[in-house]
Amino acid sequence: GQQVMQIPQYQHVQEGEDFTTYCNSSTTLSNIQWYKQRPGGHPVFLIQLVKSGEVKKQKRLTFQFGEAKKNSSLHITATQTTDVGTYFCAGPRIQGAQKLVFGQGTRLTINP
Amino acid sequence: DGGITQSPKYLFRKEGQNVTLSCEQNLNHDAMYWYRQDPGQGLRLIYYSQIVNDFQKGDIAEGYSVSREKKESFPLTVTSAQKNPTAFYLCASSPLRGEKLFFGSGTQLSVL
Repeated sequence: GQQVMQIPQYQHVQEGEDFTTYCNSSTTLSNIQWYKQRPGGHPVFLIQLVKSGEVKKQKRLTFQFGEAKKNSSLHITATQTTDVGTYFCAGPRIQGAQKLVFGQGTRLTINP
Repeated sequence: DGGITQSPKYLFRKEGQNVTLSCEQNLNHDAMYWYRQDPGQGLRLIYYSQIVNDFQKGDIAEGYSVSREKKESFPLTVTSAQKNPTAFYLCASSPLRGEKLFFGSGTQLSVL
């Protein structure tokens, strides 16, 4: 079945270093969504990418959607302790866009 | 404030017991979802509903049941048939198919 894989599973950085997580789908996606879950919290929507090759920025966060619409990345520049959490990508299933398939997530920890 | 309310925050189940997790939303969203989250894994879809009195199985529906008698409410019952129920359960809603998900704060279910 359709799979969404995320790497790395864990990432520990020093505060101020950059961070990138990658998301790969076994099938072409109509769109991809990114969520952040703080420790002990619930996932919160960050952004949705729709177009092939799309790049969107939110302050220090840069999101990219691959040309083939099968991969995506989230890059954080100069991490801060507030960036700690698990970042998930999610894409809609082929049958029924309302069913999202989530990646396993990348857990980011930061050494202040 | 508009949002999704899940209760209780923590729940303990005895062997052979059915337990019900509550999810209420006042966002006027049509679609509602239940996800299960295990440590180190992504979110897996249990059930979802697009309209009142209608719901569909997700990827891991066995051992769970739901109802959607009101637009605002989507309770999840974890039955005794679910042999490994310990997990973090997240309820979510969205206004339309393919739209971003709004999550509740979750219920941590543990087995006594």
